[in-house]
Amino acid sequence: ILNVEQSPQSLHVQEGDSTNFTCSFPSSNFYALHWYRWETAKSPEALFVMTLNGDEKKKGRISATLNTKEGYSYLYIKGSQPEDSATYLCAFKAAGNKLTFGGGTRVLVKP
Amino acid sequence: EPEVTQTPSHQVTQMGQEVILRCVPISNHLYFYWYRQILGQKVEFLVSFYNNEISEKSEIFDDQFSVERPDGSNFTLKIRSTKLEDSAMYFCASSATTGIVEGYTFGSGTRLTVV
Repeated sequence: ILNVEQSPQSLHVQEGDSTNFTCSFPSSNFYALHWYRWETAKSPEALFVMTLNGDEKKKGRISATLNTKEGYSYLYIKGSQPEDSATYLCAFKAAGNKLTFGGGTRVLVKP
Repeated sequence: EPEVTQTPSHQVTQMGQEVILRCVPISNHLYFYWYRQILGQKVEFLVSFYNNEISEKSEIFDDQFSVERPDGSNFTLKIRSTKLEDSAMYFCASSATTGIVEGYTFGSGTRLTVV
């Protein structure tokens, strides 16, 4: 059974502050790691697909790093804004089409 | 921006009844998926579909479940005889590739409540 874990489960951030949170996943049979942003009552939106050890990706104020050898990824939000409030999901992809999701980190940015 | 649409957004059904959840994936996508999230639990994989057949399915996806792409645009999930534990948010997703280059596009879900 694949275990994908995210921590913390939730965090409160003051507007303007930066924050980060982690996703841990199996280090064997790794094909890709996905990050999704999921706002309440909307559909999960793809942020990044990461495949190479040491990969760093950036989209605006959000960035992610990947360590496949030790099985973790960090997501960073720089200068958090209220619109960054969402649940951030990571998902591990081995061979095949299936994504195995973590439990998510719920981020609430307080003005 | 192209979207995956799901209908209905909410469905309440009696235990033992059949339900069909409908999805319209993005038109040029080749891979289609169903996931679900039971309240308080992780999003979990049900099935993937490619080239008009199931390419992978989870242990959850037993004989009670089936998928179909009846007309080249719709992608449906049928639950034959619903149980209380089938209550969940069901998400359809599609992708152009196998998930190594770009992420999946998800619909906004159908909330199924079995009473």
